[in-house]
Amino acid sequence: QKEVEQNSGPLSVPEGAIASLNCTYSDRGSQSFFWYRQYSGKSPELIMSIYSNGDKEDGRFTAQLNKASQYVSLLIRDSQPSDSATYLCAVNQAGTALIFGKGTTLSVSS
Amino acid sequence: GAVVSQHPSWVICKSGTSVKIECRSLDFQATTMFWYRQFPKQSLMLMATSNEGSKATYEQGVEKDKFLINHASLTLSTLTVTSAHPEDSSFYICSAWTSGPKSSYEQYFGPGTRLTVT
Repeated sequence: QKEVEQNSGPLSVPEGAIASLNCTYSDRGSQSFFWYRQYSGKSPELIMSIYSNGDKEDGRFTAQLNKASQYVSLLIRDSQPSDSATYLCAVNQAGTALIFGKGTTLSVSS
Repeated sequence: GAVVSQHPSWVICKSGTSVKIECRSLDFQATTMFWYRQFPKQSLMLMATSNEGSKATYEQGVEKDKFLINHASLTLSTLTVTSAHPEDSSFYICSAWTSGPKSSYEQYFGPGTRLTVT
């Protein structure tokens, strides 16, 4: 069974700090790796996608992928209260359904 | 670009009735649409995969006769919850993906439909 594991949290960080979110996956055939942010009652919003080993930066967000370790992470720099949400890690192969982790709840205090 | 809409955004129905949810890709043709369900404080769970012109593929434990999926065109998929019961109350979310030379691995999510069965 293909699985994606995340720490459920909650992860609490003060405003301005770095939040670090982690994810492991079981399917070595996974090709695509995503981080979604979901606010309560809303649909997931894509934050980052990463397809090859290494780091990918986009503004305050950095995704890291290590396929050998089957590990994906998301760093949020200069965390803001508006970043408080549930972060979902998802993986798939092209054209197939996303397999989601259970999500990590992030709380940024001002 | 890559906008997916869902209608209705929320619906309340009585137990035993049927409800239809529409998922539309507004600015692209979706080769494949996925239907997910999310219960409170849980993650998204895949219900079925729908390819245009083909029968949907349902995940284990999802009743295909209860959750009817139709993907009649490249821009529209519908999910009909038949004989709904209170335990079907959930947040239903569709996503769309397109294949082709300019396709990406990304899927585009609709805003979701909140179903409450009384």
